[in-house]
Amino acid sequence: DADVTQTPRNRITKTGKRIMLECSQTKGHDRMYWYRQDPGLGLRLIYYSFDVKDINKGEISDGYSVSRQAQAKFSLSLESAIPNQTALYFCATSAGLAFDNEQFFGPGTRLTVL
Amino acid sequence: QKEVEQDPGPLSVPEGAIVSLNCTYSNSAFQYFMWYRQYSRKGPELLMYTYSSGNKEDGRFTAQVDKSSKYISLFIRDSQPSDSATYLCAMRVNTGGFKTIFGAGTRLFVKA
Repeated sequence: DADVTQTPRNRITKTGKRIMLECSQTKGHDRMYWYRQDPGLGLRLIYYSFDVKDINKGEISDGYSVSRQAQAKFSLSLESAIPNQTALYFCATSAGLAFDNEQFFGPGTRLTVL
Repeated sequence: QKEVEQDPGPLSVPEGAIVSLNCTYSNSAFQYFMWYRQYSRKGPELLMYTYSSGNKEDGRFTAQVDKSSKYISLFIRDSQPSDSATYLCAMRVNTGGFKTIFGAGTRLFVKA
């Protein structure tokens, strides 16, 4: 879905390296999220942001940090990558309405940490 | 124990079959129940959602929620090869939180 874009789409890196994954959206949504997806574990929330000044930890935030540079941009950083951070990473957005059930996902970034 | 349990499959069916996908959950506070479809190398997309108990139909798809059993289902009638994807259930509480809990996803293959 071109409304939510993620860069890079694939990345291979080495243990200890700093990595940044970027997410941009043109949907005009206030809420943005970072998830990781692992086989058998589903989608797990890393961080979320309800607006530019609001950053919150999800269930698996250790080893990750985020930056909400603008309403449309939300970046995820791995300060010192480790092999168990190898996963598929998704950015998502939602409108923040009263019954806010639909999240719109980007195409994902496949990250491999050697 | 996971809050949401979903059989990962894979589930393989012939074209035209009725498919039943299911999730169980442990948190009785969940009120919104969603099904996302994820094609290979794509992000999930919302297929259907229901509030509280009952059924909801949309074309060939029917979502069913049984809160007394903490069990939700997605039925696909007249399944097509284009339905081949991973289906993720998701759910969240009604108020005081937005956090959505996802199941692990069931891989479905519909053979022509």
